[in-house]
Amino acid sequence: GEDVEQSLFLSVREGDSSVINCTYTDSSSTYLYWYKQEPGAGLQLLTYIFSNMDMKQDQRLTVLLNKKDKHLSLRIADTQTGDSAIYFCAESPSGGYQKVTFGTGTKLQVIP
Amino acid sequence: NAGVTQTPKFRVLKTGQSMTLLCAQDMNHEYMYWYRQDPGMGLRLIHYSVGEGTTAKGEVPDGYNVSRLKKQNFLLGLESAAPSQTSVYFCASKLSPRDPGLEQYFGPGTRLTVT
Repeated sequence: GEDVEQSLFLSVREGDSSVINCTYTDSSSTYLYWYKQEPGAGLQLLTYIFSNMDMKQDQRLTVLLNKKDKHLSLRIADTQTGDSAIYFCAESPSGGYQKVTFGTGTKLQVIP
Repeated sequence: NAGVTQTPKFRVLKTGQSMTLLCAQDMNHEYMYWYRQDPGMGLRLIHYSVGEGTTAKGEVPDGYNVSRLKKQNFLLGLESAAPSQTSVYFCASKLSPRDPGLEQYFGPGTRLTVT
């Protein structure tokens, strides 16, 4: 079945860039997502990328996709303390009921 | 427009007790989902629904039942709670089944402890 892997923890200093990595196994993945979960809250979609793209930029966020290696990354420029949260990578294949498979989540700690 | 709401926010059950978690959405979304979140395991899909009156099993359905009698509500039932069902439960909804790019909207979660 599908599998999405992430490292569990990342610590960066305020103002630095954060890079959160994700690998997935499903070669039929059509959409790849990054969700953010703040403490005590549900997940909120940050951004997503189609599998026929290799990069997407949205303000401080840059998503890079290496489809050959099935590797997805999220770069947060000028990381702020408000970016401290758990970040989930997720993938969805084309067709069907659009089942979304989530990774284990990466906890980002921003040190002031 | 409240989005996705979940009731209750917290609950403690004894082993063997039953309960129902309620999810409600006011966005006229077709798809609704129940997930559980456990440390180091991400979100796992329990059950989902593609429309009023329909339900289907997800990745970890055992020990849970669901119903979607009204489009806006999706209920998750635990008939006989077990300590392994201690988790945070999230409900989510999605507008259209046809466009995978549309996001799922998540509720705030229900923290359930089974002793």
